[in-house]
Amino acid sequence: NAGVTQTPKFQVLKTGQSMTLQCAQDMNHNSMYWYRQDPGMGLRLIYYSASEGTTDKGEVPNGYNVSRLNKREFSLRLESAAPSQTSVYFCACRHTGGRTDTQYFGPGTRLTVL
Amino acid sequence: DAKTTQPPSMDCAEGRAANLPCNHSTISGNEYVYWYRQIHSQGPQYIIHGLKNNETNEMASLIITEDRKSSTLILPHATLRDTAVYYCIVRNSDNYGQNFVFGPGTRLSVLP
Repeated sequence: NAGVTQTPKFQVLKTGQSMTLQCAQDMNHNSMYWYRQDPGMGLRLIYYSASEGTTDKGEVPNGYNVSRLNKREFSLRLESAAPSQTSVYFCACRHTGGRTDTQYFGPGTRLTVL
Repeated sequence: DAKTTQPPSMDCAEGRAANLPCNHSTISGNEYVYWYRQIHSQGPQYIIHGLKNNETNEMASLIITEDRKSSTLILPHATLRDTAVYYCIVRNSDNYGQNFVFGPGTRLSVLP
């Protein structure tokens, strides 16, 4: 089991370029999340998907769009990248059941916008 | 949303217990306390969570005060690999997104 995978691991964009960050999980969990982490700070929620076919805004959704393609995949798109979007992006899935409530995170994508 | 307060940094000697405090004085009755850690820019890793009873698993123990306004994460025998940023998070377990807030956390340094 790979758990949560993210591609690419690193990316450099110029202002105004677009790109899609990919996330996939093989844990069969319903809910998935996208966070960003700026240097020296905690994580901030961008978007989440409670189940396949649904998405909702988190704390900092402006400048981003998401697609929950199927149960496994949840992508994050930057339509017109800005330097303020330079950050590390983490994808996560969540497992709940009984007393269990755990988020599993991917390794992150390090994005620099010049 | 309940807010948490953690010390920005702590040191602990290798082999000793690490006790990481968290204040959450505005916690409401249906909100759980979660702990995660992040090792050197990797994705955060779940440690433990609880509602009001003390909890223990293979990684750590969680002690929640009777009034639930504060808690302590205990790593019983800290190793160098436990050096990380530790996040205390308070949230409603039924809310799938908006209340899961990672603050700046506590940077724990385990010293040889």
